Amino acid sequence: EAQVTQNPRYLITVTGKKLTVTCSQNMNHEYMSWYRQDPGLGLRQIYYSMNVEVTDKGDVPEGYKVSRKEKRNFPLILESPSPNQTSLYFCASNLSPTGSTEAFFGQGTRLTVV
Amino acid sequence: SQQGEEDPQALSIQEGENATMNCSYKTSINNLQWYRQNSGRGLVHLILIRSNEREKHSGRLRVTLDTSKKSSSLLITASRAADTASYFCATPSTGKLIFGQGTTLQVKP
Repeated sequence: EAQVTQNPRYLITVTGKKLTVTCSQNMNHEYMSWYRQDPGLGLRQIYYSMNVEVTDKGDVPEGYKVSRKEKRNFPLILESPSPNQTSLYFCASNLSPTGSTEAFFGQGTRLTVV
Repeated sequence: SQQGEEDPQALSIQEGENATMNCSYKTSINNLQWYRQNSGRGLVHLILIRSNEREKHSGRLRVTLDTSKKSSSLLITASRAADTASYFCATPSTGKLIFGQGTTLQVKP
């Protein structure tokens, strides 16, 4: 079954404690991205990757890092989380980097930073 | 930036009725996509309509696209309680999808 898997689904952490949200896809997609979803602000892209070792900033990259060492994995790293990073996070993958095909989304990670 | 604006923001109907939601966008597009999101969960792709298409069907879903008006509509016919969700239109831009704010649909049994 084609899927994007995120872990963890829920996470409560304290300000400043580094954390990583993992994302893995089994469709051999070259393109992957991270979004955050906030009430009233909708879905906003954090980072994206066109291929292994190729990453680029999205609309709201501040406070986040990513890496793409393998095609299937695209972890999101918060080096020093702050309360304004409390949000619902989604990883997505797509066969086409131009968006000409459907995107597949993970189930989401609800992060709370206290 | 939010390219898609959706209307209405919220919609409540009875089971069996049809639901129509609209999306407007600002710039030229190659395609427009619709996604569904059940409460707090991941987005699921529903349908993709290309800029040279005017209408597309998938089961109980009908999507139209009017590139001259920069608008699209999603019609769900014979709605079911399981259709209760948020629906988003999305347009591709360089390296990303730009989502509208979404329409929250409630289908009452």
